Amino acid sequence: TQLLEQSPQFLSIQEGENLTVYCNSSSVFSSLQWYRQEPGEGPVLLVTVVTGGEVKKLKRLTFQFGDARKDSSLHITAAQPGDTGLYLCAGAAETSGSRLTFGEGTQLTVNP
Amino acid sequence: DTGVSQDPRHKITKRGQNVTFRCDPISEHNRLYWYRQTLGQGPEFLTYFQNEAQLEKSRLLSDRFSAERPKGSFSTLEIQRTEQGDSAMYLCASSPWTPGNTQYFGPGTRLTVL
Repeated sequence: TQLLEQSPQFLSIQEGENLTVYCNSSSVFSSLQWYRQEPGEGPVLLVTVVTGGEVKKLKRLTFQFGDARKDSSLHITAAQPGDTGLYLCAGAAETSGSRLTFGEGTQLTVNP
Repeated sequence: DTGVSQDPRHKITKRGQNVTFRCDPISEHNRLYWYRQTLGQGPEFLTYFQNEAQLEKSRLLSDRFSAERPKGSFSTLEIQRTEQGDSAMYLCASSPWTPGNTQYFGPGTRLTVL
């Protein structure tokens, strides 16, 4: 079973602070996706990374895929209360076909 | 709205009853997935269709669970003889045939088994 370890599980910060969420595995992923989920709703796609070493930016969010395609990070600059939510990483492992394996998520709270 | 839709959004049932959920994927997507998510956890894979063919099933999908995608468009997930442990959010996702396997999720169906 491929596992994705996501850290930290909980993060509470003040508005304006920076933060980084990590997603690590011993498996190689053909692609990795980051989602944000609100209570009672489905995950909403933020980004897909497919190439080792790839960096993608989405406004204040920066996503990086590790060179070996086993890990990823999400960095948020100058966090705002609207960034509050559950952030999930999910990978399609090379050996598991199309299914996504999810991390347990990082619950982010940004306090005004 | 051309996103993934799911119906119903909420379902409350008594233990032992059968329930059926529907998922309508994004129209041009040929792949459709079902996941289950319990409180405080990330979603777990249940099953996957490519067009009308069910290509993969998780060991989580016991014989009380069955999924269909008869015409390669919408899909249904049926749970027979529901148990309290089946209470969860059931998520549907779809993806096109492209590198990256980007999956787009619906809003989910919240099942509560009393």
